[in-house]
Amino acid sequence: DAGVTQSPTHLIKTRGQQVTLRCSPISGHKSVSWYQQVLGQGPQFIFQYYEKEERGRGNFPDRFSARQFPNYSSELNVNALLLGDSALYLCASSLGLRGRDNYGYTFGSGTRLTVV
Amino acid sequence: GENVEQHPSTLSVQEGDSAVIKCTYSDSASNYFPWYKQELGKRPQLIIDIRSNVGEKKDQRIAVTLNKTAKHFSLHITETQPEDSAVYFCAASIMEYGNKLVFGAGTILRVKS
Repeated sequence: DAGVTQSPTHLIKTRGQQVTLRCSPISGHKSVSWYQQVLGQGPQFIFQYYEKEERGRGNFPDRFSARQFPNYSSELNVNALLLGDSALYLCASSLGLRGRDNYGYTFGSGTRLTVV
Repeated sequence: GENVEQHPSTLSVQEGDSAVIKCTYSDSASNYFPWYKQELGKRPQLIIDIRSNVGEKKDQRIAVTLNKTAKHFSLHITETQPEDSAVYFCAASIMEYGNKLVFGAGTILRVKS
């Protein structure tokens, strides 16, 4: 069974550009969450999606958006990139949204985004 | 909103000694507290978690304790080994509202052989 897969693994973009990051959850998992991890810090929550609907949003600007597809995979889009967007972007999947389906969700290996 | 503080930021121990990492949280409604281990360049991996209806949980050399009154929880690693060297993150969540985790800043654990 494949774990959470993310693509690409590394990406270099120029300020002002747009980027799309992709995530495929563990088979059977319906919830996908996105986190940003700046070097030397803990991950910060960006979004949670469940059954193709946004179910939670962190304190990030509107330049950040996401969506979830019928097969439960997800994309994170970031527009008008800033140098400060350079980070490891982590995707995590879980069975569901609440209760026992939530516990101990699994992270992917992340996409390392560098903005120059 | 929830705020999680983690201490110490770095911890060096001799192989075989114990290591303790402490976290405090601010939202008394938080009821799920996982710990993640992240090796350099790799994904965070869940190593142990505890729910608010439990005071302590053990898994071999790893244990977590929770004090709801004081709003703090701790990770205990006994008989440390060089492969325990990594960054450890604590997190807190209110599980009834999805799985938004609020993470601490992390602790770099170095086990010297």
